[in-house]
Amino acid sequence: GENVEQHPSTLSVQEGDSAVIKCTYSDSASNYFPWYKQELGKGPQLIIDIRSNVGEKKDQRIAVTLNKTAKHFSLHITETQPEDSAVYFCAAHFGNEKLTFGTGTRLTIIP
Amino acid sequence: DTGVSQDPRHKITKRGQNVTFRCDPISEHNRLYWYRQTLGQGPEFLTYFQNEAQLEKSRLLSDRFSAERPKGSFSTLEIQRTEQGDSAMYLCASSLTTPDTQYFGPGTRLTVL
Repeated sequence: GENVEQHPSTLSVQEGDSAVIKCTYSDSASNYFPWYKQELGKGPQLIIDIRSNVGEKKDQRIAVTLNKTAKHFSLHITETQPEDSAVYFCAAHFGNEKLTFGTGTRLTIIP
Repeated sequence: DTGVSQDPRHKITKRGQNVTFRCDPISEHNRLYWYRQTLGQGPEFLTYFQNEAQLEKSRLLSDRFSAERPKGSFSTLEIQRTEQGDSAMYLCASSLTTPDTQYFGPGTRLTVL
């Protein structure tokens, strides 16, 4: 079936340190993996995505890595800032139209 | 265009009442999606439109739920005879192609008393 597992569910890091969130997916046919940031009371906002023909993608302090063999992908945030505090969701596109989301990681940046 | 918009942002209703939500996608996007999100969970897919055609529906979409996109632009999601279990955030997203970035609206938070 189509399943995405996300860990950890909560993460606290000191401001300026790095944060890493990991996801695994069930279907090797998956070909698109976005990451969303959701602040309280708001809809999910795309922060970065990666397609299955790429192993790594970086955008300023945010990077995503994809290991197709192991069926996992990770979000890396460097030099964390207080405004990075939010809930982060990974998702996978399994070849149909919908996205299947992980259960989310609540990231707290400690000043 | 400022992105996906949804109306209302909040809705409180009594059990048994009908509610309708509206979503306006990004103007050039022909794909429109509805998701439901409960507290502490990720969004769960409900249904999808390509232009005006509803092409996929989740098992989560019971007979009390109906969605339309009559002219291939805005969409409505109606819930009839609401139940307390329908309380959730209802999210709309749109995209230009697939697989591609789905841009989400701010959501409609439904509370059923």
